[in-house]
Amino acid sequence: QVQLVQSGAEVKKPGASVKVSCKASGYTFSGYYINWVRQAPGQGLEWMGWINPNSGVTNYAQKFQGRVIMTRDTSITTAYMELSSLRSDDTAVYYCARDLSAKQWLGFDYWGQGTLVTVSS
Amino acid sequence: QSALTQPPSASGSPGQSVTISCTGTSSDVGGFNFVSWYQQHPGKAPKLMIYEVTKRPSGVPDRFSGSKSGNTASLTVSGLQAEDEADYYCNSYAGSNNYVFGTGTKVTVL
Repeated sequence: QVQLVQSGAEVKKPGASVKVSCKASGYTFSGYYINWVRQAPGQGLEWMGWINPNSGVTNYAQKFQGRVIMTRDTSITTAYMELSSLRSDDTAVYYCARDLSAKQWLGFDYWGQGTLVTVSS
Repeated sequence: QSALTQPPSASGSPGQSVTISCTGTSSDVGGFNFVSWYQQHPGKAPKLMIYEVTKRPSGVPDRFSGSKSGNTASLTVSGLQAEDEADYYCNSYAGSNNYVFGTGTKVTVL
């Protein structure tokens, strides 16, 4: 069965960086794009960007460009999202989510369990 | 890229229908047939309910249906059940390899 398992909760100070992992299993990792979505406490979903696990090509939402880096390690079928220059308003649950099919833009069918990142001095 | 506009709340009694709108522009909802809908219960990850405007993934009840007219997409939940009480979010391809989510709607089953 398809699973996306994320790393545990993090507490970071303002200005620091955080790197969240997303371990994929149960399918061909290189065949489906991985997206990152975040949700601040009590707020809605916000799309951050995607990575093509096959090529490593990425695309980031304009809001996060210059502050986010998405990578992958195909040998361990894991995707990563690193966010730098953290601010208090980056406090959120961060999700990885798989594209529904090899053809993009259809939607996200499997989601990780979420990783709470708290930014506090 | 601005979030798609959804009503903050919607409600209905068990057995009734509720429809949630998702309004964008010709650059996102109106420009592509790539609208999806997600259900999210408190403390849980979102779940895909509709993709490509009208299609249901395997396992999603046929009580859930999607449609689109112009720049507005809609999700209808028919025969409301207690377990349908959740937050719902639309999502659309927005061009230039980007996605955009809606603002979210809290559905209450009265």
